[in-house]
Amino acid sequence: RKEVEQDPGPFNVPEGATVAFNCTYSNSASQSFFWYRQDCRKEPKLLMSVYSSGNEDGRFTAQLNRASQYISLLIRDSKLSDSATYLCVVQVSGAGSYQLTFGKGTKLSVIP
Amino acid sequence: GAGVSQSPSNKVTEKGKDVELRCDPISGHTALYWYRQSLGQGLEFLIYFQGNSAPDKSGLPSDRFSAERTGGSVSTLTIQRTQQEDSAVYLCASSLRLSGANVLTFGAGSRLTVL
Repeated sequence: RKEVEQDPGPFNVPEGATVAFNCTYSNSASQSFFWYRQDCRKEPKLLMSVYSSGNEDGRFTAQLNRASQYISLLIRDSKLSDSATYLCVVQVSGAGSYQLTFGKGTKLSVIP
Repeated sequence: GAGVSQSPSNKVTEKGKDVELRCDPISGHTALYWYRQSLGQGLEFLIYFQGNSAPDKSGLPSDRFSAERTGGSVSTLTIQRTQQEDSAVYLCASSLRLSGANVLTFGAGSRLTVL
């Protein structure tokens, strides 16, 4: 089983739609969770951290389910500028190392 | 600097040649990571530096790959005797946080093409 698994998509949605991405992770020792966004041929950039109680940032909502080892990202009222690849990232800390494992990403295209 | 700086931005080399990729992290960031991303693939962890601690080299794919970080700042990733499968974008990231959630700031990457 892959350490961090995402549906690769692509998700093609019209402007204004609501879209949800899922991510599962295999290491139960994972401690911190993030969503990064990567535009075509650009570097990844932090979108938001994911907190245990769930958190919201404007049109974006992240949820964490530790029991099921599952993370989600919900985007409401999609904009053309949301078109990108969304990377699920999991951090396992221990033995002095802070290694982050990236999923392969889910590609989103928002269509006019 | 204001961000993570990587050079060169593009490198084309012939199979068997050695290459050096440079990363200049954000000033004050003690943690530095190297990842590589092949076309259409996810990010593959290569190596991690934290302050003066021994680096975590667990992601280096072969002994042709090595990295150093001098003076706790600039890092160089060296690939010896390059192979075509080494072609990828090599991404460097730095982080300030020593514990808890570790937020990375990435450089724009060095795109390596091995002919």
